[in-house]
Amino acid sequence: QKEVEQNSGPLSVPEGAIASLNCTYSDRGSQSFFWYRQYSGKSPELIMFIYSNGDKEDGRFTAQLNKASQYVSLLIRDSQPSDSATYLCAVNPNDYKLSFGAGTTVTVRA
Amino acid sequence: EADIYQTPRYLVIGTGKKITLECSQTMGHDKMYWYQQDPGMELHLIHYSYGVNSTEKGDLSSESTVSRIRTEHFPLTLESARPSHTSQYLCASHRQGQETQYFGPGTRLLVL
Repeated sequence: QKEVEQNSGPLSVPEGAIASLNCTYSDRGSQSFFWYRQYSGKSPELIMFIYSNGDKEDGRFTAQLNKASQYVSLLIRDSQPSDSATYLCAVNPNDYKLSFGAGTTVTVRA
Repeated sequence: EADIYQTPRYLVIGTGKKITLECSQTMGHDKMYWYQQDPGMELHLIHYSYGVNSTEKGDLSSESTVSRIRTEHFPLTLESARPSHTSQYLCASHRQGQETQYFGPGTRLLVL
């Protein structure tokens, strides 16, 4: 079992809609969770991080964490064509290393 | 936001050549990482360092080596490049007490 699992997609949403991305992790002791956005041919850039159960909002992005279910999600509201990218879920299971999921590719249709 | 630099950005080289990929950061971060990523695939950690003179191999076996003589510099070396080394190499860093890793722009390596 992979440490971090994501649906690979592609997830296609119309402009203005909500994109919902899911991520599950295997290490119950994980304490911190990250969402990175990666445009094709570019390096990952941090969108959000979350440590506590519940929701965390930053602009059009909302991260949701449920440690009991070992589940973290990312909602993108009012999706824009510029949101078309691969979204990587990362988990800190121990020490300082991150475990990355394979990513979910999002396409926003204009 | 971290200032982290990688050179070269693109490199095409012949089989058997020795190459060094440079990574530098100006934020005084003690922790640095090298990842390998093939197109459309996930990131794999190949090396990491928690400070000067500290280097460890990552989860993915790699024929490369690294060194950490200065805090700001974490170069990766391939003694004899092979076509199987063709990939994108990403360097990342973060500060003690912070868990967020920031990535450099990456080096795209093509070995012919």
